[in-house]
Amino acid sequence: AQSVTQPDIHITVSEGASLELRCNYSYGATPYLFWYVQSPGQGLQLLLKYFSGDTLVQGIKGFEAEFKRSQSSFNLRKPSVHWSDAAEYFCAVGYTGGFKTIFGAGTRLFVKA
Amino acid sequence: NAGVTQTPKFQVLKTGQSMTLQCAQDMNHEYMSWYRQDPGMGLRLIHYSVGAGITDQGEVPNGYNVSRSTTEDFPLRLLSAAPSQTSVYFCASSPTAGGPETQYFGPGTRLLVL
Repeated sequence: AQSVTQPDIHITVSEGASLELRCNYSYGATPYLFWYVQSPGQGLQLLLKYFSGDTLVQGIKGFEAEFKRSQSSFNLRKPSVHWSDAAEYFCAVGYTGGFKTIFGAGTRLFVKA
Repeated sequence: NAGVTQTPKFQVLKTGQSMTLQCAQDMNHEYMSWYRQDPGMGLRLIHYSVGAGITDQGEVPNGYNVSRSTTEDFPLRLLSAAPSQTSVYFCASSPTAGGPETQYFGPGTRLLVL
């Protein structure tokens, strides 16, 4: 069965520091991969997605993610974090012919001054 | 475009009461879905619909009913609320079902069942 694992429940980084959020998926074929962000009290918003082609994907707000098939990973990165990036981040996977998107448990990002 | 709207934003119920969470979208999307969000568990799919008149169960459907009479609306019904249904509920839509489609989320409904 398809699954998504986000190993870190929460991460704290200093403003201006780099960020990497980890995501691993379980799926036999090439998946469709997503990162969503949820600000406090809000719904989820798409940051970026991968479905084919270049394995390094650029998203909104300066985020990027890299698909590594050999590691079944799709880690999210940002070179310099801003205080407004504090939020919860969800990795998700979809698949060809499927009606469902599977979400990870989320990683909450705290940004300290 | 308003996107995906949900009402109410907050609701308190007593055990055994029933209620309907409303969801509407104005993007002419075929696919709509309901999720619940609980701490440490991410989003779990309750029910989904691939078009008007077509619905199916997701991962955690027990205690919930849905119907889809129009493309725009996808209400979620709690028939007899239980404390285990205390959660934040999100409705989402996408142009078609599954695969590479981006889902567009509503702002959520916070439900407390006493």
